[in-house]
Amino acid sequence: GQQVMQIPQYQHVQEGEDFTTYCNSSTTLSNIQWYKQRPGGHPVFLIQLVKSGEVKKQKRLTFQFGEAKKNSSLHITATQTTDVGTYFCAGPGYSGAGSYQLTFGKGTKLSVIP
Amino acid sequence: NAGVTQTPKFRILKIGQSMTLQCTQDMNHNYMYWYRQDPGMGLKLIYYSVGAGITDKGEVPNGYNVSRSTTEDFPLRLELAAPSQTSVYFCASSPDRDGGYTFGSGTRLTVV
Repeated sequence: GQQVMQIPQYQHVQEGEDFTTYCNSSTTLSNIQWYKQRPGGHPVFLIQLVKSGEVKKQKRLTFQFGEAKKNSSLHITATQTTDVGTYFCAGPGYSGAGSYQLTFGKGTKLSVIP
Repeated sequence: NAGVTQTPKFRILKIGQSMTLQCTQDMNHNYMYWYRQDPGMGLKLIYYSVGAGITDKGEVPNGYNVSRSTTEDFPLRLELAAPSQTSVYFCASSPDRDGGYTFGSGTRLTVV
């Protein structure tokens, strides 16, 4: 079934530094989604990318979808303490059990040192 | 709008007990999902539903059951709780198969 891998698993940055997390899928994706989960909270939908090579920005966050639609990245410029949390990518596809589902990566946990 | 509402927020169960985790959404979404989240393991799909009266298994359905009698409600039933079911459970909904998910605030379940 489909697998979605994210690296790194953890990232500690000084406030003001940049941060990037990478996502790779074992299959070509129709779209990729990004979510943020604050400590003790629930995942919150950030964005969906659909087109090959697509780049979208949300203030200090830049999301990219690879040309082959198998990888994606999230880049945060000049991190702030409010960016702390775990960032998940997710792609739709068929699992090993045969269900069509959104498969989540294991996430990148971002810590920001003030 | 409340979005996706889950109850209870916390629960401690003894081994062998049963319980129902409630989930309701007010966005008229056809698709609803139950995930469990274990530390460092991401989100695993337990069951999902594409509309009232239709449910299907996800990756990790063993030990759980669901029903979908209305568009709004999608309860998750644990019949014989086991320590392996200690986890955080999230309910989610989406307007279509590939759309962004709206998650509830979660139920933190401990089985002792």
